[in-house]
Amino acid sequence: AQSVTQLDSHVSVSEGTPVLLRCNYSSSYSPSLFWYVQHPNKGLQLLLKYTSAATLVKGINGFEAEFKKSETSFHLTKPSAHMSDAAEYFCVVTALSGGYQKVTFGTGTKLQVIP
Amino acid sequence: DAGVTQSPTHLIKTRGQQVTLRCSPKSGHDTVSWYQQALGQGPQFIFQYYEEEERQRGNFPDRFSGHQFPNYSSELNVNALLLGDSALYLCASSLWGGGAPETQYFGPGTRLLVL
Repeated sequence: AQSVTQLDSHVSVSEGTPVLLRCNYSSSYSPSLFWYVQHPNKGLQLLLKYTSAATLVKGINGFEAEFKKSETSFHLTKPSAHMSDAAEYFCVVTALSGGYQKVTFGTGTKLQVIP
Repeated sequence: DAGVTQSPTHLIKTRGQQVTLRCSPKSGHDTVSWYQQALGQGPQFIFQYYEEEERQRGNFPDRFSGHQFPNYSSELNVNALLLGDSALYLCASSLWGGGAPETQYFGPGTRLLVL
């Protein structure tokens, strides 16, 4: 079985303050983990991915995430929020099962950035 | 290098009609997956195509069908449209991997409205 839980449906931060978007996962296999961002009325853009190399992963636009196996977490952080970061963020877990890639999306976290 | 493209961008249909959505994968990719994203929800996996065959299928009825062409592009067909089929339909392309799960790259989506 495989699942993703994004612990907050909405997060609101002030511009220039840190961002923390939380994600916990469950997988019977060795997963890869991704964060995607979706701006309003747009498709999904890959922010970063973890694929069993370094546990601290750096992505685009100053975002990073740390894979913590003991906590089954993959939280997304950014030191200083920018207005352009306002969007919806999806945590995704992917694992190979029976030779096929099983992809599971979280329900998303909507990030609001206050000027 | 063109990314994933989808057409049309928007579509309005009435109940009972049929619709075809199209997707061209990122250059070099051979696998196409389709997702349905209802308003305010995360994407739900519909099915995946590789080598012109459906390889995996999510929990969607047979009204949803697809095709992949020799040039790797793909179509999603939905018959007997219901109001509940209104959603953003996302296409994702990747490489068919035998090892670690492959990164998916998403198109901008087709927004379907069923009246």
